[in-house]
Amino acid sequence: DAKTTQPPSMDCAEGRAANLPCNHSTISGNEYVYWYRQIHSQGPQYIIHGLKNNETNEMASLIITEDRKSSTLILPHATLRDTAVYYCIVRVGSGAGSYQLTFGKGTKLSVIP
Amino acid sequence: DADVTQTPRNRITKTGKRIMLECSQTKGHDRMYWYRQDPGLGLRLIYYSFDVKDINKGEISDGYSVSRQAQAKFSLSLESAIPNQTALYFCATSDFPGGRDGYTFGSGTRLTVV
Repeated sequence: DAKTTQPPSMDCAEGRAANLPCNHSTISGNEYVYWYRQIHSQGPQYIIHGLKNNETNEMASLIITEDRKSSTLILPHATLRDTAVYYCIVRVGSGAGSYQLTFGKGTKLSVIP
Repeated sequence: DADVTQTPRNRITKTGKRIMLECSQTKGHDRMYWYRQDPGLGLRLIYYSFDVKDINKGEISDGYSVSRQAQAKFSLSLESAIPNQTALYFCATSDFPGGRDGYTFGSGTRLTVV
C-alpha cells in the first residue's frame, strides 16, 4: 500500500471548517483513500473513503486531487466532539491486499471553543 | 448493543499467565481482525480471519494465538503474557472487500501485564 503523510497536529475553531490534508504521492490506480478517526483511545471510527471522485456523507467531505497524489478531509462545522486523531489510509479495494488497514500516526485535531 | 463487543474492557495480569481476550460481532461480517495499539503509535495487525476456517498471521503475531469459534466470535490469546504486551487491543470486522462502511472496531481492551 502507498505511504501517506499527514501533519502531526492541527487546531480548528469550533464551528469552523476543519481541513485535514494527506499526501499519498505513490498511490496506485486501484488504491482507495480511507479516513478514520480515533477519539481518545476508543476504537477507530470509519469516516469516508473514495477512489477518484470527491465524496460526501453525513460526517464529512473528501476532496481528492485530479492526480490523486493528495486529498483533504473536510469537517464542515467542527464541534468539540470532533477532537480526535484522524488517520488517512491508502489501500487496494479488492484482492489479496484489500484486507489490511495500515495505520500511521495520523493528525491530532484539536477543536478549540 | 454494540456491533462489535470486546471483553474484558480492562485487565491486569501477571507475567507468565495465559489470558484470553474475546470479541463478538453482530454485523454479520465474515472478516475479523485483532489489532494492537501502543501509546502514541498507530494500530498494528496481529491476526486476521476471512472465515471460520481461515486464520492468518499479521504483522506482529509472535506471542499470540487466535481462535475463530464461529462467524461472530474471534478470540485472542496470550499464551504466556509478558510486560511488553501491555497495550490497547482492538477487534474489528469488515465485509468483503471493505464495503461502504469500512471496518467496524470494538471499544478496545486495555491490557496491563505486570
